[in-house]
Amino acid sequence: EDQVTQSPEALRLQEGESSSLNCSYTVSGLRGLFWYRQDPGKGPEFLFTLYSAGEEKEKERLKATLTKKESFLHITAPKPEDSATYLCAVLSGSARQLTFGSGTQLTVLP
Amino acid sequence: DAGVTQSPTHLIKTRGQHVTLRCSPISGHKSVSWYQQVLGQGPQFIFQYYEKEERGRGNFPDRFSARQFPNYSSELNVNALLLGDSALYLCASSLVQDYGYTFGSGTRLTVV
Repeated sequence: EDQVTQSPEALRLQEGESSSLNCSYTVSGLRGLFWYRQDPGKGPEFLFTLYSAGEEKEKERLKATLTKKESFLHITAPKPEDSATYLCAVLSGSARQLTFGSGTQLTVLP
Repeated sequence: DAGVTQSPTHLIKTRGQHVTLRCSPISGHKSVSWYQQVLGQGPQFIFQYYEKEERGRGNFPDRFSARQFPNYSSELNVNALLLGDSALYLCASSLVQDYGYTFGSGTRLTVV
């Protein structure tokens, strides 16, 4: 059974204070690891897909990296508008669905 | 281009009632998946449809059913509603099966 664990559950940062979110996963044949951003009451907004260990992708202040056991979402010099819940999900070779973690709720204080 | 659209946005139902949620995928997308998200948790997979056929089903009771129409839109039906069915129901579409999922804004269902 595919499993995804995200840490920390909640993170409060000062504006400009860089940090990383962790996503640990156990899957049978990783087909893709997805990062989404979710604002309260809204659907998840796609950020990145990573397919193989060593892969990295960047978008503005966000950078996602992937190893064989975990993925990190690095946030550089965050702004208050980066406040949201960040979700990690995996798609495995045996499953037909995304398996999500519980998310990290990020708050960036001005 | 229009994204994934879901209707209604909010819904209040009484225990034991039936509900139908609707989803229109991005134009050209042939795969539609449904997820349930309860407060404080990540979305949980309910169904996937591709080319109008059910291709996957999550660990949900038979009270949950879905279908996909020739225009690739989809409906999620839930019978005999329970208080525990209160959640945000999300629809995701993708061009092909198992790739590039885009989510709608969801339907917030409250069962009282």
